[in-house]
Amino acid sequence: KQEVTQIPAALSVPEGENLVLNCSFTDSAIYNLQWFRQDPGKGLTSLLLIQSSQREQTSGRLNASLDKSSGRSTLYIAASQPGDSATYLCAASMDSNYQLIWGAGTKLIIKP
Amino acid sequence: NAGVMQNPRHLVRRRGQEARLRCSPMKGHSHVYWYRQLPEEGLKFMVYLQKENIIDESGMPKERFSAEFPKEGPSILRIQQVVRGDSAAYFCASSPSRQDPKAFFGQGTRLTVV
Repeated sequence: KQEVTQIPAALSVPEGENLVLNCSFTDSAIYNLQWFRQDPGKGLTSLLLIQSSQREQTSGRLNASLDKSSGRSTLYIAASQPGDSATYLCAASMDSNYQLIWGAGTKLIIKP
Repeated sequence: NAGVMQNPRHLVRRRGQEARLRCSPMKGHSHVYWYRQLPEEGLKFMVYLQKENIIDESGMPKERFSAEFPKEGPSILRIQQVVRGDSAAYFCASSPSRQDPKAFFGQGTRLTVV
């Protein structure tokens, strides 16, 4: 059974720092892995999707990596800004299964 | 092109009442997925529907919960005789096909049972 874990549960850093959020999964037979952003009381925004055949994806200041063999994905945020404050969720899709299996999220606070 | 629309955004129900949550997928999307997010927990898959068909409801509680996606109109998640433990955020996502890996999410409906 696939389990997705995100550590830490919360992170607070000063503005301008580069930071890394971690996501680990127990079953390496994933179809893809996605990173989402969730703002308080709002919906989910897909940030990056990494197919199982890929090792990383980049969008602006965000870079996500995938290492299936070690069961890990990281989300790197460069030059953090207060507007980056949100909860970041990772979700794994198994094989061709549409079901997403979610981590509990990392709540990120960027201090001005 | 409007995104996935969920309504209501907030819903308060007394114990024992029925809750109906609506989800209108993005234009051109015929696949809908419902997820539930309990307080301080990750999202959990509930049900996957195509137009007029339930494809997978393995994440749905066996009692009181039902879902539909009619030929016309939005997808409906129905919770009968709600209990306090049903209080959660319910998210809907849609995609154009099962093979398309990227799903677009609505803003969710926050159900509070009092």
